[in-house]
Amino acid sequence: ETGVTQTPRHLVMGMTNKKSLKCEQHLGHNAMYWYKQSAKKPLELMFVYNFKEQTENNSVPSRFSPECPNSSHLFLHLHTLQPEDSALYLCASSPLGATSGVNTQYFGPGTRLTVL
Amino acid sequence: AQTVTQSQPEMSVQEAETVTLSCTYDTSENNYYLFWYKQPPSRQMILVIRQEAYKQQNATENRFSVNFQKAAKSFSLKISDSQLGDTAMYFCAFMKQGAQKLVFGQGTRLTINP
Repeated sequence: ETGVTQTPRHLVMGMTNKKSLKCEQHLGHNAMYWYKQSAKKPLELMFVYNFKEQTENNSVPSRFSPECPNSSHLFLHLHTLQPEDSALYLCASSPLGATSGVNTQYFGPGTRLTVL
Repeated sequence: AQTVTQSQPEMSVQEAETVTLSCTYDTSENNYYLFWYKQPPSRQMILVIRQEAYKQQNATENRFSVNFQKAAKSFSLKISDSQLGDTAMYFCAFMKQGAQKLVFGQGTRLTINP
């Protein structure tokens, strides 16, 4: 299994639906991340989890609810989304405390979300 | 706050040519890391190369090399002998030492023509 996987790859949902995005990393890392990539905007960091604990929330609306049951899995639960939430959602993982001093992030293929 | 600027929204070159993508950044930090990621049409964000700011030697990975000018806060990517598979969006990113937040530029869309 390749490094970081994400499912589903594509998701179309209505504003009243509840759906979840899943991310799994097979790299033995201890940190996981959610990013949002919108058209014509730089990637935006949404959440950071270290050893299953959330360490960063970049003012993300509560309609996005992350969950990290263990260091290998990360979910993003979606509820009552708006059309402007349509974007590519990327998951990433990294080591923590790497001997090189840099916690390089490795990304999954993303989930293309469309909110109708 | 750190910012990363990629001034070339799009570039296009012929296969086998050399191409250089520009990136500048703004920071008051002295210790940090710089990255180039590529994102092909498949959307997978792939790490291309990484540079530690404390290293004077420019990083190289096969056909990919950087020109890191710390005083000028410049971090360009050179792709030699470009291949059709190099067609992608290229993102420059910054991370300060000890941090986990990557700050990305807007990206450069590179097309390699046959």
